[in-house]
Amino acid sequence: GQQVMQIPQYQHVQEGEDFTTYCNSSTTLSNIQWYKQRPGGHPVFLIQLVKSGEVKKQKRLTFQFGEAKKNSSLHITATQTTDVGTYFCAAGGSYIPTFGRGTSLIVHP
Amino acid sequence: DAGITQSPRHKVTETGTPVTLRCHQTENHRYMYWYRQDPGHGLRLIHYSYGVKDTDKGEVSDGYSVSRSKTEDFLLTLESATSSQTSVYFCAISESYGGAGNTIYFGEGSWLTVV
Repeated sequence: GQQVMQIPQYQHVQEGEDFTTYCNSSTTLSNIQWYKQRPGGHPVFLIQLVKSGEVKKQKRLTFQFGEAKKNSSLHITATQTTDVGTYFCAAGGSYIPTFGRGTSLIVHP
Repeated sequence: DAGITQSPRHKVTETGTPVTLRCHQTENHRYMYWYRQDPGHGLRLIHYSYGVKDTDKGEVSDGYSVSRSKTEDFLLTLESATSSQTSVYFCAISESYGGAGNTIYFGEGSWLTVV
């Protein structure tokens, strides 16, 4: 199956700072999805990217899919305490998507 | 949230005992999955099903078996629980195969402790 590397594993930020997590694959992906898991909760779908170079925004969250469709990023502007959680990418292209190990975001008030 | 119910939500069991976790969905989705989540490992696929009685192994299937006798139910069995199987188990569903970009919906999780 496909392998996806997600970095960093953890990120501590002060409230108001920006945050970015990256998802990288050695193979071309047909699509990539992003999920958020709050502490003690379950992963919840955020968005899907399909096109090369695609950029999508959800309020303070910006999602990008690389031109070569081998990497993706999630950027949060001006983090808030409600952004705390683990963000996972899920790479499509094979029968079953491959999840990255996630980036845990800790926001200090 | 999607109609996914996992039971039990929390369980403590002894090493060597069999354990069955149940996942029930009301969405009539074809695909069902069992993942385990451990610190530093993210979500790892144990088994998945693409239809009634159609199942396949994931990356960490050793020590686990599954059954799907009805569209709505997907059972995960630990034949003889070991401490290494202490984990949070998530059931998930998707309308078609997740790799094609279909959204995967997760249940609320089952916390299993093997002592």
